[in-house]
Amino acid sequence: EAGVAQSPRYKIIEKRQSVAFWCNPISGHATLYWYQQILGQGPKLLIQFQNNGVVDDSQLPKDRFSAERLKGVDSTLKIQPAKLEDSAVYLCASSLLLPIIRGAFFGQGTRLTVV
Amino acid sequence: SQQGEEDPQALSIQEGENATMNCSYKTSINNLQWYRQNSGRGLVHLILIRSNEREKHSGRLRVTLDTSKKSSSLLITASRAADTASYFCATDAQNNDMRFGAGTRLTVKP
Repeated sequence: EAGVAQSPRYKIIEKRQSVAFWCNPISGHATLYWYQQILGQGPKLLIQFQNNGVVDDSQLPKDRFSAERLKGVDSTLKIQPAKLEDSAVYLCASSLLLPIIRGAFFGQGTRLTVV
Repeated sequence: SQQGEEDPQALSIQEGENATMNCSYKTSINNLQWYRQNSGRGLVHLILIRSNEREKHSGRLRVTLDTSKKSSSLLITASRAADTASYFCATDAQNNDMRFGAGTRLTVKP
C-alpha cells in the first residue's frame, strides 16, 4: 500500500512570511496527526483529526498555526506569520482506528527553515 | 506537554550487546508504542503493548509495561550497527491522542 505522502520536502522562508504543508494519509485511515519535531527533540503533537473532526489541538499555537482536513482525507497545515522558532521538521502520520491497535504510519516530513 | 520521558538520553554499545531503554509517563494510557527514527527520516512503528499486557516480544525486541509505575522498557537483543537510531515511546492516553517522549539516541559500534 502507498505510504503517507507529504509535500514539500523542504521549504525555506523568511520570518513573517506564510507557508503551507500538505499531507495525504494512507487510504482508509480515519486518524491523521501533525507533529512538530525540533532538532534533537521528540515529536510534539500539534493537532490530531478523527475523520474531519479535531481530537486534540491543545498544543497548536492557534494565533499563527491552522490546520484543516477537508472531507476527512487530505490535510493542510499553515503557519502565518512564521517565526524563527518555527524552524523544524513537520511530520504527518495516519492510523486506521482509535484507540490505535497497530501503530501509526509516518510520512518523511517537511523540513522548514525560517530565516 | 510531552507525555513520556525516555531514559537514558543517549546510549552507546558494541555490536552484539543488548540495549535497554526506559520510558516513564504521567497519565493513564490505552496502550504504549515504541518507534524508531533514523537520522533525517520518518518514524517507524516497532511494537505496541496494551495497558492490560505486561510483556510483548517481536523478533529481537522485548517490551515490558508496568502500569503501576507508569513505565515501560524496550530491550533490543544482539544489537547490530543497523540498530543505530533514535527510539521514542508514544502513549495513547484516555482521549486517544498520541504523544511522544524526547527519545533515546542509540549508537551501536561495529
